[in-house]
Amino acid sequence: DGGITQSPKYLFRKEGQNVTLSCEQNLNHDAMYWYRQDPGQGLRLIYYSQIVNDFQKGDIAEGYSVSREKKESFPLTVTSAQKNPTAFYLCASRLRGLDPNTEAFFGQGTRLTVV
Amino acid sequence: QQPVQSPQAVILREGEDAVINCSSSKALYSVHWYRQKHGEAPVFLMILLKGGEQKGHDKISASFNEKKQQSSLYLTASQLSYSGTYFCGTYGSSNTGKLIFGQGTTLQVKP
Repeated sequence: DGGITQSPKYLFRKEGQNVTLSCEQNLNHDAMYWYRQDPGQGLRLIYYSQIVNDFQKGDIAEGYSVSREKKESFPLTVTSAQKNPTAFYLCASRLRGLDPNTEAFFGQGTRLTVV
Repeated sequence: QQPVQSPQAVILREGEDAVINCSSSKALYSVHWYRQKHGEAPVFLMILLKGGEQKGHDKISASFNEKKQQSSLYLTASQLSYSGTYFCGTYGSSNTGKLIFGQGTTLQVKP
C-alpha cells in the first residue's frame, strides 16, 4: 500500500536533547512538507522540499532542521534551540510541488512531548 | 501570513447547513480544503484553481473568489460523518510550492 509513514507515533524527550522525527513516502512524490499542529493555531509550515538536496524554510523554521538526501525521505530534527517543541508534527507530500492543482497527502503524525 | 478561517467553531444538528470561510492576504493560485478527524491525518476534500469553476461532491461544495482572495466551503444537509476540523490551504501565485494552512474550523454535528 502506498502512503506516508511517520515514526514513532509518540516520542518523549528530555529538555535540551535533539530529536529526529522520521517521514518516509512510497508514493514517488516530488515534494514533501513538515507542519506543526498546536490547538487553535492550525497547521504551521516548518520546512518544505521540492526536490532532493533542496529545501526551503517555512513560517516557523527556527529551532528545526531537515535533510532531503533521498526522494522518499524527509526527516525533521527538533533541536534544543526550539523553545517550545511539545506539539503534534505532521508530514505531507505532493506529487508535483510546483503544480497548484496537486493535493497533499498526510502521514498519521508524531506527538512529541518534551519534559 | 496564515490564511484566516471563520468561524472557529460550529455546532449543527443533522440536516443543517454550514459555511466555512477562508481569507488570504496574498494573491493565490489555488485553495485546498481538508478535513481532519480527531487523532487522524487530514484528508483531502477538493482544490479550487484561479479561474476555475466552483467544485463539489455529494453535499460538500466550495467556491473561490480570486479577486478577494477568499474561499468558502459549503456543507449542506450535514451528516454526523461531517464532524471534524476543516482546514483551508492556500497556494500562492508566486508558485514556489509553498502550501500553508489556516487555523482550522471545528465542526460538530449532533443527532
